[in-house]
Amino acid sequence: KAGVTQTPRYLIKTRGQQVTLSCSPISGHRSVSWYQQTPGQGLQFLFEYFSETQRNKGNFPGRFSGRQFSNSRSEMNVSTLELGDSALYLCASSPGHTDSPLHFGNGTRLTVT
Amino acid sequence: QKEVEQDPGPLSVPEGAIVSLNCTYSNSAFQYFMWYRQYSRKGPELLMYTYSSGNKEDGRFTAQVDKSSKYISLFIRDSQPSDSATYLCAMSKYGQNFVFGPGTRLSVLP
Repeated sequence: KAGVTQTPRYLIKTRGQQVTLSCSPISGHRSVSWYQQTPGQGLQFLFEYFSETQRNKGNFPGRFSGRQFSNSRSEMNVSTLELGDSALYLCASSPGHTDSPLHFGNGTRLTVT
Repeated sequence: QKEVEQDPGPLSVPEGAIVSLNCTYSNSAFQYFMWYRQYSRKGPELLMYTYSSGNKEDGRFTAQVDKSSKYISLFIRDSQPSDSATYLCAMSKYGQNFVFGPGTRLSVLP
């Protein structure tokens, strides 16, 4: 079974630009979660989508948004990029049951200059 | 106080040693507990998952949960240089997102 696939692996953007990251979950998984990982803050939860609906949301500003498509693939968008948005963005999928563990992709490394 | 605390290390041990990695948490509502291993430039990889107090074993790995003390541990027996990575604990309440510890960096020296 193929794992979670994230594209692109690396991105360099300029302050003020916007960016879209993509995630393809494990086949059959209906839940997709997004996390931001930085050396100082560790893994911080952004949001979770289940069956195209946002089910949970973390404490990030509205510049961070996401969506999920009918095939469970998900995208995350960050608008008006700031230097502090430089991080590893991780996508994780699960079957969607409340106690299901998360399976992560290898992330997208975003650098904002 | 953070919800999940974990010693960041780095922790260095000789090959073959038993490694003990620990997390403490403050929220007694946490019910589900996981351990992940993360190699450099990779995503976290699920190692162990449990939801009850006590021990769970899988090969060289044993996960231990003590809900009364709000303390979880991961033991690695016969550690190998390939075990060198960052280990993250994670936990969640029913219906909520998982909260991660900051991770412990482990080096197993040949």
